[in-house]
Amino acid sequence: DAGVIQSPRHEVTEMGQEVTLRCKPISGHDYLFWYRQTMMRGLELLIYFNNNVPIDDSGMPEDRFSAKMPNASFSTLKIQPSEPRDSAVYFCASSVGLAGGTAGTQYFGPGTRLLVL
Amino acid sequence: AQKVTQAQTEISVVEKEDVTLDCVYETRDTTYYLFWYKQPPSGELVFLIRRNSFDEQNEISGRYSWNFQKSTSSFNFTITASQVVDSAVYFCALSNSNFGNEKLTFGTGTRLTIIP
Repeated sequence: DAGVIQSPRHEVTEMGQEVTLRCKPISGHDYLFWYRQTMMRGLELLIYFNNNVPIDDSGMPEDRFSAKMPNASFSTLKIQPSEPRDSAVYFCASSVGLAGGTAGTQYFGPGTRLLVL
Repeated sequence: AQKVTQAQTEISVVEKEDVTLDCVYETRDTTYYLFWYKQPPSGELVFLIRRNSFDEQNEISGRYSWNFQKSTSSFNFTITASQVVDSAVYFCALSNSNFGNEKLTFGTGTRLTIIP
């Protein structure tokens, strides 16, 4: 089975440019999470969705960040305009929301390494 | 609020030695889930184990074993006969949802280096 798919894997952009990160969750998973990982702050949850609806976006650092999930198989995280301090690895994860079994286990994508110059 | 503490920032051991990674958690909920993830040098986050708060049985999977003790709020991870491929950053995480969903609170990770 395919895991969580993220694109691009690497992104280098200049300050002020718009950046769009993409994620395809595991089929059948109804939760989707966006994380950011930096050396200084570790792993931070930015936002998560349940059945395509944003549930908690309290981790989104500021209005420059936005996330959407137009359908069950696709989500985007957009940064506009980007700044050097946004440089990080961005992970997408998905999980299934049923009791028992592997419910609750988040499976992570390979991440997108973003560098803003 | 929940919290996960991994006091060991970095550990180095010689190959074939056993090593234990510590994880201490704080939560007020009676139902919660604990996880371990591995992040090898390639960068991906790999799920290792999930344990719910009602199951205190230790678990063994090959060279990996986990010791869950509610009395000390600890969920420690032991690698037996370590190998170079075990070199990675290991994260312990906690979830308070009844179904183990929603937010994961991560520890800061322990960087494990296995010296050949």
